[in-house]
Amino acid sequence: QVQLVESGGGVVQPGGSLRLSCAASGFTFSHFALHWVRQAPGKGLEWVAFMWYDGSFESYADSVKGRFTISRDKSKETQYLQMDNLRAEDTAVYYCARDYSGSVYYIDHWGQGTLVAVSS
Amino acid sequence: DIQMTQSPSSLSASVGDTVTITCRASQTISSYLNWYQQKEGKAPALLIYTASTLHTGVPSRFSGSGSGTDFTLTITTLQPEDFATYYCQQGDSSPFTFGQGTRLQI
Repeated sequence: QVQLVESGGGVVQPGGSLRLSCAASGFTFSHFALHWVRQAPGKGLEWVAFMWYDGSFESYADSVKGRFTISRDKSKETQYLQMDNLRAEDTAVYYCARDYSGSVYYIDHWGQGTLVAVSS
Repeated sequence: DIQMTQSPSSLSASVGDTVTITCRASQTISSYLNWYQQKEGKAPALLIYTASTLHTGVPSRFSGSGSGTDFTLTITTLQPEDFATYYCQQGDSSPFTFGQGTRLQI
């Protein structure tokens, strides 16, 4: 079955960096786009970033543009989110999520999330 | 960027009731509207995509409608497991924005 397992979360000081990983299994990784979506404590879902299945297209929310970078390693079937210059408002659970990757965009599978806390 | 506005932000109902949640897009998105359910402490789960298509395994008491800018999620004969938070998301273009959520509670 489809599995997405996030890792790399933790506590980091403002201005610091973290790299999140999303290990995929149960499907052909190179055929599917992946998203990152975050949820601050007690708040709603915020879409963060997206990369097309072949890495040819990537997109970011304005709130993270220029600070976060999405990438993927096909050989490891893993997607990454490099987060630099972190701010307190980046504190959230970060979910890796698979896009249907057909002619329409929707998320059909979600990981369980990894918590990032930005605090001094 | 396309803004998504849900209403109401919270809703109280009872088992057996029928409820409707509304989602409005700031510009037309055709039928590229998705609905997700999130239970406390869990990851979200897909309910409906392209405005009205039920995801595999989703009970038929859930239904979606709308196109353009106005969409609705209707849940008939509420069951105890339906009390959760619901989010709409536009799948028309990046950034793939979510609505702010509707908390459905007893």
